[in-house]
Amino acid sequence: EDQVTQSPEALRLQEGESSSLNCSYTVSGLRGLFWYRQDPGKGPEFLFTLYSAGEEKEKERLKATLTKKESFLHITAPKPEDSATYLCAVQANSGYALNFGKGTSLLVTP
Amino acid sequence: EAEVAQSPRYKITEKSQAVAFWCDPISGHATLYWYRQILGQGPELLVQFQDESVVDDSQLPKDRFSAERLKGVDSTLKIQPAELGDSAMYLCASSAGSGTGEQFFGPGTRLTVL
Repeated sequence: EDQVTQSPEALRLQEGESSSLNCSYTVSGLRGLFWYRQDPGKGPEFLFTLYSAGEEKEKERLKATLTKKESFLHITAPKPEDSATYLCAVQANSGYALNFGKGTSLLVTP
Repeated sequence: EAEVAQSPRYKITEKSQAVAFWCDPISGHATLYWYRQILGQGPELLVQFQDESVVDDSQLPKDRFSAERLKGVDSTLKIQPAELGDSAMYLCASSAGSGTGEQFFGPGTRLTVL
């Protein structure tokens, strides 16, 4: 059974303090790994898709990387507006549904 | 910028009543998904449509939930009767093609069952 585990559950950073969020996964054939950002009361907002180990993608202060067992979302010099819940999801070769983790709640303080 | 539309944004109902949610995907997106998200959890798939056909409804509680996408465009998710445990955010997403690639989510419908 596909499984996605995100850590930590919650993270508090000072503005400018870089850190990483982890997404560990087990899946029977990975079609893609997705990162989303979700603000309170809103739908998830697409950030990145990674398809194979070694792949990296960047967007502003965010950088996502992928290995065969986990993905990291690196946040460089975060700002308060980066505060949100970050969700990781895997899509298996056997289907098209996204299997989400529980998310990491990030709070960036000034 | 194209977006997934959902209505209503909020719904409060009493248990045993019927509720319905509507979703209009991004224009041209053939694949439509309904997810349910309980507070503090990630979204979980309820049903997936490819055009007007159901591709996956294995996690849909079929005794009380139904979903349709009659013309392969917009979709309706219905719950009858609603139960206390149905309180959650109901999210609609769409993607181009057959379902690979990015899924784009709507703002969701927050359901509260009293």
